[in-house]
Amino acid sequence: QKEVEQDPGPLSVPEGAIVSLNCTYSNSAFQYFMWYRQYSRKGPELLMYTYSSGNKEDGRFTAQVDKSSKYISLFIRDSQPSDSATYLCAMCPLQGAQKLVFGQGTRLTINP
Amino acid sequence: EPEVTQTPSHQVTQMGQEVILRCVPISNHLYFYWYRQILGQKVEFLVSFYNNEISEKSEIFDDQFSVERPDGSNFTLKIRSTKLEDSAMYFCASSEALPVAGGFGELFFGEGSRLTVL
Repeated sequence: QKEVEQDPGPLSVPEGAIVSLNCTYSNSAFQYFMWYRQYSRKGPELLMYTYSSGNKEDGRFTAQVDKSSKYISLFIRDSQPSDSATYLCAMCPLQGAQKLVFGQGTRLTINP
Repeated sequence: EPEVTQTPSHQVTQMGQEVILRCVPISNHLYFYWYRQILGQKVEFLVSFYNNEISEKSEIFDDQFSVERPDGSNFTLKIRSTKLEDSAMYFCASSEALPVAGGFGELFFGEGSRLTVL
């Protein structure tokens, strides 16, 4: 089983839609869970992180972690064309926290 | 806003040649990293560096790879004898601190150096 799995998409939705992006993982040692956004020909940029389980909200973005199911989600409300990018989930344990393990990335397009 | 800068943005080299990729991390950051992303694949950890030594490395980071912080500002990745499979985007990253329980040392990534090995 792959350590982190993420559907690569592509995912295309109309402007204003709610977007749901997900990752599953197999390593129960993971404690930090991150979502990065990557525009074409740019480096990953951190959107949000969550430590352990629970929800975290930042503006239009909500991150959820369910450690019992080894499942994390990112929700984007009122999606905008500027949200079009590749979204990468990443995670790491507390020990060895320098070594992020990334998902494949989901390519998202928001259509005006 | 402070940022991680990388040079060159694109390098083309012949198989077997040595390549040095350069990075200037954010000035007050203490932890430095190299990641790579082969086209169409995941971003993969290569190496982390702290206090002038490697703190962790992946199985990809074999004897062909080395890292160095030659002065107070640059952080370099050297590939001694490039192979076709080294073709990838190489990302440098830096962080101010390591995560501690409840807190987080965010990694800031550069825009990457694309390496093409022919």
